[in-house]
Amino acid sequence: GAVVSQHPSRVICKSGTSVKIECRSLDFQATTMFWYRQFPKKSLMLMATSNEGSKATYEQGVEKDKFLINHASLTLSTLTVTSAHPEDSSFYICSARDGSFSSTDTQYFGPGTRLTVL
Amino acid sequence: EDQVTQSPEALRLQEGESSSLNCSYTVSGLRGLFWYRQDPGKGPEFLFTLYSAGEEKEKERLKATLTKKESFLHITAPKPEDSATYLCAVSVTGTASKLTFGTGTRLQVTL
Repeated sequence: GAVVSQHPSRVICKSGTSVKIECRSLDFQATTMFWYRQFPKKSLMLMATSNEGSKATYEQGVEKDKFLINHASLTLSTLTVTSAHPEDSSFYICSARDGSFSSTDTQYFGPGTRLTVL
Repeated sequence: EDQVTQSPEALRLQEGESSSLNCSYTVSGLRGLFWYRQDPGKGPEFLFTLYSAGEEKEKERLKATLTKKESFLHITAPKPEDSATYLCAVSVTGTASKLTFGTGTRLQVTL
């Protein structure tokens, strides 16, 4: 149980284009989803928290107009990197919290998306 | 400010050589402490959640323990397939289920 998928696993795009990454909870309903960014050999950096049906909460220093997050259903959240530039190249990982267990903060992670901007 | 510190940064063990990884934390109010395993190029895989001092959880060769200041991940008789980065994270009261991660311990188990 508690499986989270991400699509695509890898994407290469040209500078200036937009890229959408999907995150799905496959066997549970996720009231809260999180988006992280990870640099090589570094730990996870939280970018934003999204709750189903409401606007995402962004961490300090994360540009909300550049990283658009939508959490339209209890099983799907999307991250769109708008007007991508080479400095946006990174490993993006989503996670989901099982909404049926209000007492636990356990997050289940997707496999990640490697974004390369040329 | 909430802080999570993991040590050692890297650990090399021979197969069968047991050891422990440390996660020390300084937080305003602990809701939970989490251990994850991450393989290169993949997302973290959930291992354990601990909620209160004295709690212990086990899974195969791994055992996690928690005190009021730190957590240990004990690895008994490790195998090469246990090689990975082990991440510790905490959730804190009043932070809407956000996790604060440590920098991880890179474990390599050799034959």
